[in-house]
Amino acid sequence: EVQLVESGGGLVQPGGSLRLSCAVSGFTLSDHYMDWVRQAPGKGLEWVGRSRTKNKKYSITYGASVKGRFTISRDESRKSLYLQMNSLKTEDTAMYYCSRLPYYDTDGDSLDAADIWGQGTMVTVSS
Amino acid sequence: QSVLTQPPSVSAAPGQKVTISCSGSTSNIPNNHVSWYQRVPGTAPKLLIYDNNERPSGIPARFSGSKSATSATLGITGLQAGDEADYYCASWDSSLKIVLFGGGTRLTVL
Repeated sequence: EVQLVESGGGLVQPGGSLRLSCAVSGFTLSDHYMDWVRQAPGKGLEWVGRSRTKNKKYSITYGASVKGRFTISRDESRKSLYLQMNSLKTEDTAMYYCSRLPYYDTDGDSLDAADIWGQGTMVTVSS
Repeated sequence: QSVLTQPPSVSAAPGQKVTISCSGSTSNIPNNHVSWYQRVPGTAPKLLIYDNNERPSGIPARFSGSKSATSATLGITGLQAGDEADYYCASWDSSLKIVLFGGGTRLTVL
C-alpha cells in the first residue's frame, strides 16, 4: 500500500527547533518529487517547499515565509523525507503534511499535483 | 500569500451542478498546470484534478477542470451530500517560483 506517515510534531517555544519526518512505503522515494504543505488553524493550505529527484540535481525550493529557516532533506536509504524547522514563530503553528508528486511532463518537470498525502503532524509554537 | 483567488463559499442542491473559480495572473495559471483538491475537515487533501483537466484514477467523471487565460474552473455535477468539503486550486508561479494555493472554497450541499 502506498503510504506516507508524518511524525515529529509537538509543542515548541518561539525561537525553537523541530524536525519532522515523513516515512514512505509502497513506492520508491527516489523516483518522486516530494512536497511539504501546511495548514494553520482556520486558514487555507500553504506550500512549504519541494524536494526534487536526482534528474533535477536534488534541488529544493522553499516558500517565502519559511525560506532561510526551514530545510528539507531526504534519505532514500531510510525511505524518509525530513523538514528541519529552526527559528520557529507562532505563525508556524499548523498541521504539516508531506505529499508525493507522481506526474511529470515530457521534459521531466513536475505537473505540480500531489496524489498521496500523509495524515499530517501538528506543530504548535507557543510560549 | 494566496494570489489565486477563489470565492469563499458556493452552494447548490443535491443533483445540481456547481462551478468553483480560481483567478490568478499571467505568472501562474496561463503557463503552468492547475490542480484541484478536496479537503474534508480533519482529513488530508484529496487530488481531484491535475494538469488542468485530468482526473486521477478513481475520481468520478462528475468532477471536471478547465482553464482559460488567467482563470481555472472546477465543475461538479450531480452533487451529493458527500461532496460537502473545502476545495482548493493550486498552480506553480513562474515569477515567485513557488506553488500557490487558492484560499479555498467551502461547498455546501443544501
